[in-house]
Amino acid sequence: GAVVSQHPSWVICKSGTSVKIECRSLDFQATTMFWYRQFPKQSLMLMATSNEGSKATYEQGVEKDKFLINHASLTLSTLTVTSAHPEDSSFYICSARVELAGEQYFGPGTRLTVT
Amino acid sequence: ELKVEQNPLFLSMQEGKNYTIYCNYSTTSDRLYWYRQDPGKSLESLFVLLSNGAVKQEGRLMASLDTKARLSTLHITAAVHDLSATYFCAVDLEGSGTYKYIFGTGTRLKVLA
Repeated sequence: GAVVSQHPSWVICKSGTSVKIECRSLDFQATTMFWYRQFPKQSLMLMATSNEGSKATYEQGVEKDKFLINHASLTLSTLTVTSAHPEDSSFYICSARVELAGEQYFGPGTRLTVT
Repeated sequence: ELKVEQNPLFLSMQEGKNYTIYCNYSTTSDRLYWYRQDPGKSLESLFVLLSNGAVKQEGRLMASLDTKARLSTLHITAAVHDLSATYFCAVDLEGSGTYKYIFGTGTRLKVLA
């Protein structure tokens, strides 16, 4: 149980284009989903927290107009990187939790390369 | 500002040896998680520690939590090469009506045959 999927697993895009990453909880309904970014050899940095049907809460320093998060249902959240640039190349990982203070379950990650 | 620090950041050890990774955090929390990450992969859950004094063991790994000292440890017993990975602790914090993880800096472990 508690499986989270991400799609795509990797994507290469050209600078200036937009990329959408999907995060799905496959066997449970998630009250909250989270998006993280991880640069090589670094820790995970929380980008934003999203709840179904409401606006995402972004961490300080994360551009909300650049990283658009939509949480349309209790099983799906999407992250759109708009006007991507090479510095946006990173490993993006989503997670989901059932309860307000319960364990987060992590997706397999999406590797984004912007050329 | 909340800080979650792991010590050491890098660890190279011989097979068969024991070692402990430390996770210190700077604010009150009684929920802490340990994860393993292999290169190019996402996180694998290792331990869930939900109260002061919690101790969990799985195979060669044992984790504990001391909320008063704001310290968690991950102890490795008789290391084997397969344990080579990066290990993260994550502290669960409440803020603005929600709970979120703050990850530690990570410890890159290399077990030498």
